[in-house]
Amino acid sequence: GENVEQHPSTLSVQEGDSAVIKCTYSDSASNYFPWYKQELGKGPQLIIDIRSNVGEKKDQRIAVTLNKTAKHFSLHITETQPEDSAVYFCAASTDTGNQFYFGTGTSLTVIP
Amino acid sequence: NAGVMQNPRHLVRRRGQEARLRCSPMKGHSHVYWYRQLPEEGLKFMVYLQKENIIDESGMPKERFSAEFPKEGPSILRIQQVVRGDSAAYFCASSPVRGETGELFFGEGSRLTVL
Repeated sequence: GENVEQHPSTLSVQEGDSAVIKCTYSDSASNYFPWYKQELGKGPQLIIDIRSNVGEKKDQRIAVTLNKTAKHFSLHITETQPEDSAVYFCAASTDTGNQFYFGTGTSLTVIP
Repeated sequence: NAGVMQNPRHLVRRRGQEARLRCSPMKGHSHVYWYRQLPEEGLKFMVYLQKENIIDESGMPKERFSAEFPKEGPSILRIQQVVRGDSAAYFCASSPVRGETGELFFGEGSRLTVL
């Protein structure tokens, strides 16, 4: 089955700096890669996703890049703000698969 | 449009008791997933259901755990004879017809504590 690895497990940045979180996956059949943000005591919420026919996607301060050859994808948050502090999860799935495979999460702290 | 509703939000059980966790998917969603999250860990897939059908239960322990999604009413994750290792947050997620968007919409979770 699919194996998704995520790094780093914790990340602290100064407000206004950028944050980058990286994930790798093992199954070349995976073609959908969402990123979820989980705030304390809440359920994960989708913040951005990318499909395998696209190399990069951007939404305001958030961007995701995908390298299918190397089987890795990354989340980039620019101009970080304290409200970006949360746990971020990457995931991989296929259109025909039944499961979303999640990474182990990155706890991001933005220091004011 | 209400999101995914889970209850109870917190549940305390003694070893050997039963735990029932309920999940009402978003309106119009017919696909339900259950995930388990241990402290400091990621989300582990347990089971994927559609109305009246278990599609994939490969992540669910063979014993003591069961799930259903009846024609009417919420999806239920049932844990019999709970043990301390069952203490975790259990998240339900729903999605529209598979293959359209792929997005999972999560509930706020049910946190089970086994004493």
